[in-house]
Amino acid sequence: LAKTTQPISMDSYEGQEVNITCSHNNIATNDYITWYQQFPSQGPRFIIQGYKTKVTNEVASLFIPADRKSSTLSLPRVSLSDTAVYYCLVGERVNTDKLIFGTGTRLQVFP
Amino acid sequence: GAVVSQHPSRVICKSGTSVKIECRSLDFQATTMFWYRQFPKQSLMLMATSNEGSKATYEQGVEKDKFLINHASLTLSTLTVTSAHPEDSSFYICSASTRTTDTQYFGPGTRLTVL
Repeated sequence: LAKTTQPISMDSYEGQEVNITCSHNNIATNDYITWYQQFPSQGPRFIIQGYKTKVTNEVASLFIPADRKSSTLSLPRVSLSDTAVYYCLVGERVNTDKLIFGTGTRLQVFP
Repeated sequence: GAVVSQHPSRVICKSGTSVKIECRSLDFQATTMFWYRQFPKQSLMLMATSNEGSKATYEQGVEKDKFLINHASLTLSTLTVTSAHPEDSSFYICSASTRTTDTQYFGPGTRLTVL
């Protein structure tokens, strides 16, 4: 399982775009990159998953460079409700393999 | 789709008693379920992996006789904390998946407080 490194915390203001970068230098060829969001006293919630280049859904975008050694989660126009911890995970079969959570990034959005 | 529930959402018990936590996949059959524990301000720690119909695989340092896991059906897994002590107080979270899902789907968690 590839280890991931993320900033411990980030601050932002409402309406701004937030980019959280995750390093995964030892990512394997078959590994996918998955991001989860967790609010206090709740289970993590799946945000987005990708393998390479760019993936976009209704809540976020995921940018993955060609070497795949890092990835960036982009949250457009954050609101107060986006205050949460964001986890980046890497694994071949994210659906059935065990996930090892790193420290995550604690995002605080201010009004 | 892909909803996972846990019951109870919170439980308070006396030291020495046992507590059972249920994890259910509501709209899909989960061939694999995982149990995590999370202490305040910390990340999730994987406790064990269970596949339907077989014994759970525990992570290093997790006592299998203390944390009993049963995955008897494709929609239900249970975690029983036996002889609970105050240090077992934590937030317990399950996740469920199957080969056709793209990721693991997490339950809402169960807050266990042992007095």
